[in-house]
Amino acid sequence: SQKIEQNSEALNIQEGKTATLTCNYTNYSPAYLQWYRQDPGRGPVFLLLIRENEKEKRKERLKVTFDTTLKQSLFHITASQPADSATYLCALDGGGADGLTFGKGTHLIIQP
Amino acid sequence: EPEVTQTPSHQVTQMGQEVILRCVPISNHLYFYWYRQILGQKVEFLVSFYNNEISEKSEIFDDQFSVERPDGSNFTLKIRSTKLEDSAMYFCASSVYRQMNEKLFFGSGTQLSVL
Repeated sequence: SQKIEQNSEALNIQEGKTATLTCNYTNYSPAYLQWYRQDPGRGPVFLLLIRENEKEKRKERLKVTFDTTLKQSLFHITASQPADSATYLCALDGGGADGLTFGKGTHLIIQP
Repeated sequence: EPEVTQTPSHQVTQMGQEVILRCVPISNHLYFYWYRQILGQKVEFLVSFYNNEISEKSEIFDDQFSVERPDGSNFTLKIRSTKLEDSAMYFCASSVYRQMNEKLFFGSGTQLSVL
């Protein structure tokens, strides 16, 4: 069956360090992978999209990689700040009739 | 920046009652979606809607659920006879197109509590 797994439920990082979040998937062949941010009680907010033929994508302090051989995407936040504390979701379109499929998310906590 | 708005923010209902959740998608968007998130679980796709008809739906979206675009701006999700397990945060989303690379814009959600 298809699965999306994000590396851990919670990740504590010291302010100023780089946070690295992992998204692994099985039984998908996605052409795209997206990352969203979700704050408590709010809807997901789109951050970045990466295509299967792109190794890396950057936006300000954010960087996403996509390895279709490993079936993995890494999401990095450099120079992390307490305001980056949130749940980060990866999402795939499986190409079937199930819309965008989300992982459970990683709760990132940036400690001052 | 344009945003998706949802009302109400909280809805409490008795089991077996009908509820209607309302959404106003972004005005130039053509595709509309409902997702739900049970507390502590992942965001799950329910249905997508385009050109006044359902284009995709998940197994969750059974006969108890329906969607409608009653006018040019609102998009609604109706649950005919609510069950305890329908308690969740329901998110409306919209996108300009329906392509795999299209980002979704989500509303802030309606927290539905079925008692």
